[in-house]
Amino acid sequence: DAMVIQNPRYQVTQFGKPVTLSCSQTLNHNVMYWYQQKSSQAPKLLFHYYDKDFNNEADTPDNFQSRRPNTSFCFLDIRSPGLGDAAMYLCATSRMRATDAGETQYFGPGTRLLVL
Amino acid sequence: SQQGEEDPQALSIQEGENATMNCSYKTSINNLQWYRQNSGRGLVHLILIRSNEREKHSGRLRVTLDTSKKSSSLLITASRAADTASYFCVVPKRGSGNTGKLIFGQGTTLQVKP
Repeated sequence: DAMVIQNPRYQVTQFGKPVTLSCSQTLNHNVMYWYQQKSSQAPKLLFHYYDKDFNNEADTPDNFQSRRPNTSFCFLDIRSPGLGDAAMYLCATSRMRATDAGETQYFGPGTRLLVL
Repeated sequence: SQQGEEDPQALSIQEGENATMNCSYKTSINNLQWYRQNSGRGLVHLILIRSNEREKHSGRLRVTLDTSKKSSSLLITASRAADTASYFCVVPKRGSGNTGKLIFGQGTTLQVKP
């Protein structure tokens, strides 16, 4: 089945130690998104790629970076994780990014990050 | 904020009962989506309703949209324990052109007791 895959499902890192979360998709979608979701809160968009075009949200901390080496893969890099970065990180894809047409986003299962 | 706001925040019902969740939003929209999130399957798209539609059905789901009141409702009929999840109302972000950004509401947590 076509899907969005995130690895690992759980990640433990130390305060200040760089960490990379991975996402891959077999849907061949043009757009890939990274969301941060803290406990009992709504997912918050960090940034997205439309093909190779990177779009950062204005309030995304500089500590968060992303890479998309090809259509299938997208990475979230947290350069110096703080305790406040502990959260569920969700990767999503959509075929296109036209909001007016109502594009559905397909989410991976998420990676839960714990910062010690 | 144009974020959708769900009501109630939490809902607990018995299996077989119907569950109704409401959503209000602040700006004009072209479409509204509902997503479900549970620990087993993550976030899953349920249904999309366009601004020119008033009601839409998908299996046991019924969604209504009232653009004059800027509100939507999600009805789950004959609920099952497997419907236990958080349900999010999601609207496109205004002013972002064709960027595909979605704004999630805070969600309604539904518990269906067997």
